[in-house]
Amino acid sequence: NAGVTQTPKFQVLKTGQSMTLQCAQDMNHNSMYWYRQDPGMGLRLIYYSASEGTTDKGEVPNGYNVSRLNKREFSLRLESAAPSQTSVYFCASKHYYNEQFFGPGTRLTVL
Amino acid sequence: GESVGLHLPTLSVQEGDNSIINCAYSNSASDYFIWYKQESGKGPQFIIDIRSNMDKRQGQRVTVLLNKTVKHLSLQIAATQPGDSAVYFCAENYGQNFVFGPGTRLSVLP
Repeated sequence: NAGVTQTPKFQVLKTGQSMTLQCAQDMNHNSMYWYRQDPGMGLRLIYYSASEGTTDKGEVPNGYNVSRLNKREFSLRLESAAPSQTSVYFCASKHYYNEQFFGPGTRLTVL
Repeated sequence: GESVGLHLPTLSVQEGDNSIINCAYSNSASDYFIWYKQESGKGPQFIIDIRSNMDKRQGQRVTVLLNKTVKHLSLQIAATQPGDSAVYFCAENYGQNFVFGPGTRLSVLP
């Protein structure tokens, strides 16, 4: 099992550009999550999907959109990137009442 | 709002000593707690968890203690090794919500 995979690993964008971060899990988990991690701060939830076909906002959803493409895949889109979105983005998944499994992260810089 | 915090942002211990990392949580409805380890440049990795109907759980070299009366969680690492150097996060869970603390950086001194 590859677990949770994320692409790309690194990305540099200019202000106003758009991009989609991809996430996939092969553990047949129901729930998937997108977090951002900034220096000195804990992981903050952007969006989550409790099950295929549903998505909900987390703590910091502004400037982002998500798509739960199928049970395996959950993508995060930045429509018009801003410097404040410079961060490390983590995708996670979990099965019912268990711990989350995290991907390796995408390091995004917006100039 | 609810939050999970850590008492110490950094902790330095001698190799071979025991480490204790503390965490406070604020939501009495949280029923599941997790400790994660994050090495530089990597995603958080599950260490150990505990549910609210327990007050102690042991793993290999790690023990988690839960005190619901004072809303306190701790992670104990026995015989700390250089490979334990990382940032450690606690997280509380209620429903679909996971709230993470900012983390404690553990440094293991030779």
